[in-house]
Amino acid sequence: DAKTTQPNSMESNEEEPVHLPCNHSTISGTDYIHWYRQLPSQGPEYVIHGLTSNVNNRMASLAIAEDRKSSTLILHRATLRDAAVYYCITKTSYDKVIFGPGTSLSVIP
Amino acid sequence: DTAVSQTPKYLVTQMGNDKSIKCEQNLGHDTMYWYKQDSKKFLKIMFSYNNKELIINETVPNRFSPKSPDKAHLNLHINSLELGDSAVYFCASSPTGARHSGNTIYFGEGSWLTVV
Repeated sequence: DAKTTQPNSMESNEEEPVHLPCNHSTISGTDYIHWYRQLPSQGPEYVIHGLTSNVNNRMASLAIAEDRKSSTLILHRATLRDAAVYYCITKTSYDKVIFGPGTSLSVIP
Repeated sequence: DTAVSQTPKYLVTQMGNDKSIKCEQNLGHDTMYWYKQDSKKFLKIMFSYNNKELIINETVPNRFSPKSPDKAHLNLHINSLELGDSAVYFCASSPTGARHSGNTIYFGEGSWLTVV
């Protein structure tokens, strides 16, 4: 059911940038792209979202392709606390948010 | 100060029992949800309420009955619990539900249900 595809897992060295890709080729024009992450034994937490333009916040940056069929979540300096499952979702106007399996990010000290 | 709080955090119960999980949000949001995360870690939406009105009801057995006494609360009652109901249940909320797809969803910390 998920409308996005992500790699199952990725690894990063601590303090290096991480680029987490997401494909959403069937996205509609009004759907936002959201990223959430889930730390072990916790509920998902919001990371960032965008519609067309690239977005930055204190947690991450979101780069959205011009055709909006893909996006990349950028963690500028990975820390051990960034080890989590990262979910890329496209949010419909009816809030039927469908989560895929996400990308499990491991951070190596 | 927890934005979305749910109780209990852990629940172990026998097959056939009836149990409830309570959820409250203090964010003033109009929309609340229940999600289920099974052993394979997939997050699946179960229900969504907007201003106490059911707007999403996925293919969930009717043993699961959500109750929203007011827009700040969405409780989940489960009858005749089965082994397959063992999972983590997350409550969540978001502002101005169906009309703005940019709105962020805030999740609770989860309720770990184990049916034995």
